[in-house]
This record gives sequence, structure tokens and C-alpha cells, in this order.
Amino acid sequence: DTEVTQTPKHLVMGMTNKKSLKCEQHMGHRAMYWYKQKAKKPPELMFVYSYEKLSINESVPSRFSPECPNSSLLNLHLHALQPEDSALYLCASSQLPGGTEKLFFGSGTQLSVL
Amino acid sequence: QQQVKQSPQSLIVQKGGIPIINCAYENTAFDYFPWYQQFPGKGPALLIAIRPDVSEKKEGRFTISFNKSAKQFSLHIMDSQPGDSATYFCAANRSYGKLTFGQGTILTVHP
Repeated sequence: DTEVTQTPKHLVMGMTNKKSLKCEQHMGHRAMYWYKQKAKKPPELMFVYSYEKLSINESVPSRFSPECPNSSLLNLHLHALQPEDSALYLCASSQLPGGTEKLFFGSGTQLSVL
Repeated sequence: QQQVKQSPQSLIVQKGGIPIINCAYENTAFDYFPWYQQFPGKGPALLIAIRPDVSEKKEGRFTISFNKSAKQFSLHIMDSQPGDSATYFCAANRSYGKLTFGQGTILTVHP
């Protein structure tokens, strides 16, 4: 299994809602990532988990809250989002932490904030 | 210094043509240069990667050329096919750094 699975594929939420994005991998990877991608732009790193501990937070607003319950799962909790947060949210994993590791991306969650 | 500049923004070729996408970087600490391919509705997927100790790497129809002195690298797609139509991102990184992506090139291959 070489897949990173993300759910849901699409999500529409209001600015007062609370929702969660889920990501799962069964490749035994020890690093997991959240990226945000706007249309026609490259992915932007949000968070990195190394060995289930948060190692990088790219100054992301607190309305985004990551969680890594175990080595296979990664969640992104969303609360009080703004319309400008509408984007494709990508989860990725790599075998080990480190800049030269191959990243495996999921297909993303397309988020619309109304 | 963390930027990777990618060109062109978009590229249209006929089937069988050889599209070339170019990237340039400033940070000499970068030591890993991957290319990612992204289809609509999908996440990026690693296509091919190179380290600065080699000047060229080929995998199937995809070739990276690397010029360390000029701090430039490029992707060549031989015998391009309509199925190669996608967005291509170059990127650069160092061992414990953050992957820095170029701005992307939208490639269209006409039948």
C-alpha cells in the first residue's frame, strides 16, 4: 500500500463551523505533513510531524489545529475559518523526516469556506 | 535566497515534442532537486529527482539536466504525450530544510 488517503474529498463549511480533515497512511512512514495549495500555486507547508511530534509549524493561524493520534493518522481541526482559507489541503508523508526524503501526497481535501 | 524561480508559467506542445521547463535557485546549500507532477484533482507526485553531484539523470522519457555553476536545472520530456498534460513543479531542499517549490508550469500536449 503506497497511498496516502484523505477524507473528505470536498468540504463546505461556514465561518462558525468546526470540522476536521483526516489523513491516513500505512507505509510505516514516520513523518507526516499538512500543505495548503491555492489554485495555480505551489503547495505551501503548514505543519510537519516527526515521529508523532509536531516539529514544524509555519506560523499557521490557531484556527488550524493539527493532531497526530498515532503514526498512521494525521488530523487537521478547523475552527472559525475565513473565506480566504478556501484551498486544497494536502496531506503528505515520508519514510523519515528530512529534506531529501520522497514525499507521498494524498489527493487532498478541497475546502470551501462560506 | 530560499526562492526557486521556474519558467515558463505555461507551455503548449504537439504530441512527440520535447517540452523543457527551467528552474533557477540562489541558495548554494540546496542539495536535492526533485520534480513533482500534478494532475487536476490530485496531489503532486514525485517524478524524478537529482543531487548536485551529477549533471544529468534520466528515468524513462523524463530527464533532468543540472548545471551547478549556473545554479540551474531543467526537466526535458521526450516524445511527449497528451497524458503528460499536467502541472509540473520543480523544487529544492537541503538535508534538514523545508522543500521550496517553484511556481509551477502548466503543460498542455496536443494530440
